[in-house]
Amino acid sequence: EVQLVQSGAEVKKPGESLKISCKGSGYSFTSYWIGWVRQMPGKGLEWMGIIYPGDSDTRYSPSFQGQVTISADKSISTAYLQWSSLKASDTAMYYCARRKGSGWDYFDYWGQGTLVTVSS
Amino acid sequence: QSVLTQPPSVSGAPGQRVTISCTGSSSNIGAGYDVHWYQQLPGTAPKLLIYGNSNRPSGVPDRFSGSKSGTSASLAITGLQAEDEADYYCQSYDSSLSAHYVFGTGTKVTVL
Repeated sequence: EVQLVQSGAEVKKPGESLKISCKGSGYSFTSYWIGWVRQMPGKGLEWMGIIYPGDSDTRYSPSFQGQVTISADKSISTAYLQWSSLKASDTAMYYCARRKGSGWDYFDYWGQGTLVTVSS
Repeated sequence: QSVLTQPPSVSGAPGQRVTISCTGSSSNIGAGYDVHWYQQLPGTAPKLLIYGNSNRPSGVPDRFSGSKSGTSASLAITGLQAEDEADYYCQSYDSSLSAHYVFGTGTKVTVL
């Protein structure tokens, strides 16, 4: 069974750093792209970026380029999303999702989400 | 900023048929890229509902159907049920420099 399990909720102060994780299981982690999606409170889904764990090829949405860093450790089948200096506006739910392979461009499995709250 | 536009809300009585539109442009839907749909029940992660414009993953009821034409796509729910009350998002790929994967603005379906 394919599963993406994300790390738990975080409460941080502005200016702090943070790294959240997404662990894949039940499939070949290195063979599928993993994307990150933001959902701000009461708002819609926004694609942030995507990584191919096999070779760490990473693409970012222009809206998030330079604001976050996406990485992966294929040895432990885990993808990461990190911030070096959080802002209050980073408060949101963050989802990781597996992109279907074989040339498809949709996300077939999703993590349960990690709620990030940034408040002084 | 979403480049796929959906109506903010639609509603219908149980058993009725509702449709949700997803309007894009020549750099995404109109360029021939597939449209996919996700259902997000309250307090849960999105779930794939329709892929490749009109295909249903295993386990998705055939009450849900999708179509695409030109620069738009539609999701139809026939025989609306209380459990269908959720947010629905379309998604495609965009070939412009501004984005790769793009989501719709989202539509709240209310069962009256």
